[in-house]
Amino acid sequence: EIVLTQSPGTLSLSPGERATLSCRASQSVSTTYLAWYQQKPGQAPRLLIYGASSRATDIPDRFSGSGSGTDFTLTINRVEPEDFAVYYCHQYSSPPPLTFGGGTKVEIK
Amino acid sequence: EVQLVQSGGGLVQPGGSLRLSCAASGFTFSNYWMSWVRQAPGKGLEWVASIKEDGSEKYYVDSVKGRFIISRDNVKNSLYLQMNSLRGEDTAIYYCATSTAILLRGVIRDYWGQGTLVTVST
Repeated sequence: EIVLTQSPGTLSLSPGERATLSCRASQSVSTTYLAWYQQKPGQAPRLLIYGASSRATDIPDRFSGSGSGTDFTLTINRVEPEDFAVYYCHQYSSPPPLTFGGGTKVEIK
Repeated sequence: EVQLVQSGGGLVQPGGSLRLSCAASGFTFSNYWMSWVRQAPGKGLEWVASIKEDGSEKYYVDSVKGRFIISRDNVKNSLYLQMNSLRGEDTAIYYCATSTAILLRGVIRDYWGQGTLVTVST
């Protein structure tokens, strides 16, 4: 099983700042199978990035994903008020098992 | 419009059983892997199980192997999760979802049900 470790656990930022979220895998993950999700309270997760760096439809271009191997990054340029949420990385290798990281909470400073 | 509509959650005693259902519409259900993901209160996301397009392959997280069964009916466009020998640690919101992002009518995204709460308690 691939374990995903996210850091930091909480990121305190002011609107307009840049957010850099890290996801480290216990073994190499194909970029094809790495995604990032945003989740707000009471809502289902929302896909932001798939294939490590491709934005899902209607995701603003201030969200970007990068990385390869065991180290992946989600960057939010100029955080907007609606971006304060919890973010999860997710590997969906084929065949399963699938795993999620523990999450990074982006909160208002 | 793509929809995944869940039903079947609720309160059950430890050792009991529950069956979750997920009715899909708006896309060709039989073309896609499907998954169940859960989230314990105040915790992160946990993958539970996945099933191949034709139901021929099924995978589970270790903690539910031998207790949960994922299945699908491609005629009824429905996904199921039969949960047996339930434990307190199975208490969570359960989501059905497409296993990956899919391309439909020019839109690339994945799809999730609304979530259903399963509470295992006396």
